[in-house]
Amino acid sequence: AQSVSQHNHHVILSEAASLELGCNYSYGGTVNLFWYVQYPGQHLQLLLKYFSGDPLVKGIKGFEAEFIKSKFSFNLRKPSVQWSDTAEYFCAVNSGGYQKVTFGTGTKLQVIP
Amino acid sequence: DAGVTQSPTHLIKTRGQHVTLRCSPISGHKSVSWYQQVLGQGPQFIFQYYEKEERGRGNFPDRFSARQFPNYSSELNVNALLLGDSALYLCASSPTADRGRGGELFFGEGSRLTVL
Repeated sequence: AQSVSQHNHHVILSEAASLELGCNYSYGGTVNLFWYVQYPGQHLQLLLKYFSGDPLVKGIKGFEAEFIKSKFSFNLRKPSVQWSDTAEYFCAVNSGGYQKVTFGTGTKLQVIP
Repeated sequence: DAGVTQSPTHLIKTRGQHVTLRCSPISGHKSVSWYQQVLGQGPQFIFQYYEKEERGRGNFPDRFSARQFPNYSSELNVNALLLGDSALYLCASSPTADRGRGGELFFGEGSRLTVL
């Protein structure tokens, strides 16, 4: 069974600091990879996705993630965070089984103005 | 455009009761999935339906069941409620069942179930 590990449960950053959230998954075959985000009071929404091709993918609001197959990783990055990035971030994996998605436990990001 | 809508948003039940949660997908989306999110955890996959057929089932007991209707809306039913069923139940829709794009989900706000 596939699993997803997110390294940090709670991250606190000042505005303009750089962000990197770690994500590792355990599945040896072809995977689709995602980062979902939940802003306070809002529903879970897709931040960015990787299906194939260029392992560096760009999402909304300046976020990007890099797929490193050899490390089974899909880390999320942003060079300069804003207060509005305060949210919970979930890494997720789909191994092609229709829509079954395995989520990590989430990382709560708090950005201090 | 309307997003995924779920009802009810909040409900309280007692142990042993039954609950039905409802979901309407985004117009044009034929796939509906259900997830359970317990406080402090990521969503856990329960079911996926596409074109009214069950296409996937997570590791949940038979007390959990679901169905999809001809208009692609869906119901999640949970029988004999336990305290541990208290959670946020999320419905997600997707326009495709294409395995190559599996996992691209559009979530609703969720139904928060409290079992006393």
